[in-house]
Amino acid sequence: GEQVEQRPPHLSVREGDSAFITCTYTDPNSYYFFWYKQEPGASLQLLMKVFSSTEINEGQGFTVLLNKKDKRLSLNLTAAHPGDSAAYFCAVSALSGSFNKLTFGAGTRLAVCP
Amino acid sequence: GPKVLQIPSHQIIDMGQMVTLNCDPVSNHLYFYWYKQILGQQMEFLVNFYNGKVMEKSKLFKDQFSVERPDGSYFTLKIQPTALEDSAVYFCASSLGQSGAETLYFGSGTRLTVL
Repeated sequence: GEQVEQRPPHLSVREGDSAFITCTYTDPNSYYFFWYKQEPGASLQLLMKVFSSTEINEGQGFTVLLNKKDKRLSLNLTAAHPGDSAAYFCAVSALSGSFNKLTFGAGTRLAVCP
Repeated sequence: GPKVLQIPSHQIIDMGQMVTLNCDPVSNHLYFYWYKQILGQQMEFLVNFYNGKVMEKSKLFKDQFSVERPDGSYFTLKIQPTALEDSAVYFCASSLGQSGAETLYFGSGTRLTVL
């Protein structure tokens, strides 16, 4: 089945710097990709949903890159601020298959220091 | 945005006892899920549920696990009897549809500790 590897597990950056998180996946049928943010004690909040046809996806303060050839999904937080401190999870879903079943990365704990 | 509520946030029980984890999904959603996350590891799919039935389950969904949503109330995960390896954070999620494009909305998890 699908395997998703997420790196790094922990990341500490200074305020204003970029934070870069990468996931690699194995199933070539993967078609939908998600990034979730989880603040301590809170639920996972969807940051962005990406379809396989789109390589560069701009959000508010971040960019999601999809490289289907390398099976790599990346999240780049530009000019990080302390409010970005959280755990970030990528998740992957296939186009076909009977029911929605996300495969998650293990998460990246990001700390943004003032 | 849509909210999924999980009750309780923490639960501590003795091995062998029964535990029920409760989830209040988004009100118009039709598909419901449980995921399990052991400390420091990734969230792993347990089960999905639709129209009163388990549609798909993983190897982690042991015989001691069961799910139900009686009369549209809470979506529950019951473990009976519990084992030490059941200690984890359990996340409930719901979605409107079933395709891979659907967004799953997650609760904040119930941390289960089995002693």
